[in-house]
Amino acid sequence: QVQLQESGPGLVKPSETLSLTCSVSGGSISSYYWTWIRQPAGEGLEWIGHIYTTGSTNYNPSLKSRVTMSIDTSKNQFSLKLTSVTAADTAVYYCARTSAGAGLLYWFDPWGQGTLVTVSS
Amino acid sequence: DIQMTQSPSSLSASVGDRVTITCRASQSISSYLNWYQQKPGKAPKLLIYAASSLQSGVPSRFSGSGSGTDFTLTVSSLQPEDFASYYCQQSYSTPWTFGQGTKVEIK
Repeated sequence: QVQLQESGPGLVKPSETLSLTCSVSGGSISSYYWTWIRQPAGEGLEWIGHIYTTGSTNYNPSLKSRVTMSIDTSKNQFSLKLTSVTAADTAVYYCARTSAGAGLLYWFDPWGQGTLVTVSS
Repeated sequence: DIQMTQSPSSLSASVGDRVTITCRASQSISSYLNWYQQKPGKAPKLLIYAASSLQSGVPSRFSGSGSGTDFTLTVSSLQPEDFASYYCQQSYSTPWTFGQGTKVEIK
């Protein structure tokens, strides 16, 4: 059974770079899309973007100028970097495996447990 | 971006009630619609994909329907473990977007 685990600093200073890694266990990272999603406290879910095992990416335009995703298939890990963070980037960050169905169907399952990142000086 | 609007934003219901949550897309998304359940402090869990396909392991009291712009998630007989927030999500076009969520509370 595939499991995902996010890791990284829980506190980041304003204007600095948020860096998170998602470790995948119980299965191969190959042949899937891998997604980052965030959720500010008490709010809804925001898709940040995804990366395929080839390294191709698709980012949310609202964050595109600040986001970089990468993947290391040898370590079964993928990563998120978000630059120039502000308090508005404070959220729980989730990683998720993205499966593809027929046509344009994509869904997120499973998810990591999430990690809270607070942006504060 | 495709806007996803859920209604109601919250509801109170009793164990055994039939509950229906609606999700409306700002444009047609065919059947590219998924539903998730989220309990406090936990990650979302996939319930339904492709508008009406039940994810493996999800109880059959959950069902989904709809296509185009209007979708529903129904819980046929609400159980204590179903009190949670529910989100719809479209994958018709990026950026993939979620509804704002519906919180199901105990009456």
